[in-house]
Amino acid sequence: QVQLQESGPRLVKPSGTLSLTCVVSGDSITTINWWTWVRQSPGKGLEWIGEIYHSGSPNYNPSLKSRVTISVDTSKNQFSMKLTSVTAADTAVYYCARDSRAGMDHWGQGILVTVSS
Amino acid sequence: EIVLTQSPATLSLSPGERATLSCRASQSVDTYVAWFQQKPGLAPRLLIYDASNRAADIPARFTGSGSGTDFTLTISSVEPEDFAVYYCQQRSGWPPAATFGGGTRIEI
Repeated sequence: QVQLQESGPRLVKPSGTLSLTCVVSGDSITTINWWTWVRQSPGKGLEWIGEIYHSGSPNYNPSLKSRVTISVDTSKNQFSMKLTSVTAADTAVYYCARDSRAGMDHWGQGILVTVSS
Repeated sequence: EIVLTQSPATLSLSPGERATLSCRASQSVDTYVAWFQQKPGLAPRLLIYDASNRAADIPARFTGSGSGTDFTLTISSVEPEDFAVYYCQQRSGWPPAATFGGGTRIEI
């Protein structure tokens, strides 16, 4: 079955860069799906960060566009996200997900990233 | 940016009752709306996509409806495992982007 697994540092210093990777298993990242990042601040709702297609340009949340970059590594069947100039407001659980355009139907378990000195 | 407003924020129900959750978009999103269920400590689970299509393995008691700016998720008879937070999500507009509503919590 399709599985997604987030990984990366769980603690990032303010003004630093948050870098996460999502490894996909059970599906090829080159299929007709979009690969998505979503975050959830503690006790808050869901926020769409952006998405990427294996052969196209990524789409980003306008509020984060100046700080976020999403990329794909087809050789490793994974995709990644970098968020620069982080502050405490970027502390959240970060999820990766597959968007088949019939909805975000598979999600990783999420990774809590804390921004703190 | 298209804003989704969910109501009510909290719905207090007993098992067996009917749940009606509302999601209103700030401009038309056609039928590009999905609904998710989230339980504490878990990732969201897709329930409905394209406004009215149930995702795989979702029980028939979950029904989505609507188009344009007004959407509804109905749970015909709430089961104990349905107590959770529900989010609507849209994908529309240009440049392509997605947004989530603020959520509705169903509690006992």
